[in-house]
Amino acid sequence: DQQVKQNSPSLSVQEGRISILNCDYTNSMFDYFLWYKKYPAEGPTFLISISSIKDKNEDGRFTVFLNKSAKHLSLHIVPSQPGDSAVYFCAASAKGGSEKLVFGKGTKLTVNP
Amino acid sequence: KAGVTQTPRYLIKTRGQQVTLSCSPISGHRSVSWYQQTPGQGLQFLFEYFSETQRNKGNFPGRFSGRQFSNSRSEMNVSTLELGDSALYLCASSGGRLVAKNIQYFGAGTRLSVL
Repeated sequence: DQQVKQNSPSLSVQEGRISILNCDYTNSMFDYFLWYKKYPAEGPTFLISISSIKDKNEDGRFTVFLNKSAKHLSLHIVPSQPGDSAVYFCAASAKGGSEKLVFGKGTKLTVNP
Repeated sequence: KAGVTQTPRYLIKTRGQQVTLSCSPISGHRSVSWYQQTPGQGLQFLFEYFSETQRNKGNFPGRFSGRQFSNSRSEMNVSTLELGDSALYLCASSGGRLVAKNIQYFGAGTRLSVL
């Protein structure tokens, strides 16, 4: 069963507009969530994270929102830039003694000039 | 500060062979995790090592194994390779302290092709 789901395989937006990437999870034990960006032939690059005790975290153009009751998080990129074009992965970590991350299958973002 | 280094970057093997992949974590990081990325399954957790001990293991067959050395460098081994083992293998390192959540930093990966 897929505990972390990214239901949109792809998303296309215009440069300067907002990009919203969504992620749903099912495991109530998840207490830390991360977003990674991945270019082809490279490893995932950490973008931003949020703890379950918060509902929002901002870092420059990137903001992550967490809705615990809906088990939903989203990544907002404002304004979107062509260099943001990549595959974005949502990941979750559960309480307990491990660094294990559970990943969604990713959303390919294309930002058009 | 140097990032996570994985070697080799590319490997071609044939069915039945075995392979060893290497990972050098960020200096000071004590936790090393391994993930397999395939087009159909996405990124899947293989195992995590901390202070030379396996701390968690994913749902992979026993053909997949790993170890960690005293300098935190890690290797993973896949024996009796199958065609389905063709994937990008990613290593990630983090501080590993469980008193706080840690960010995992990834290497560029090893692309394994099994023919």
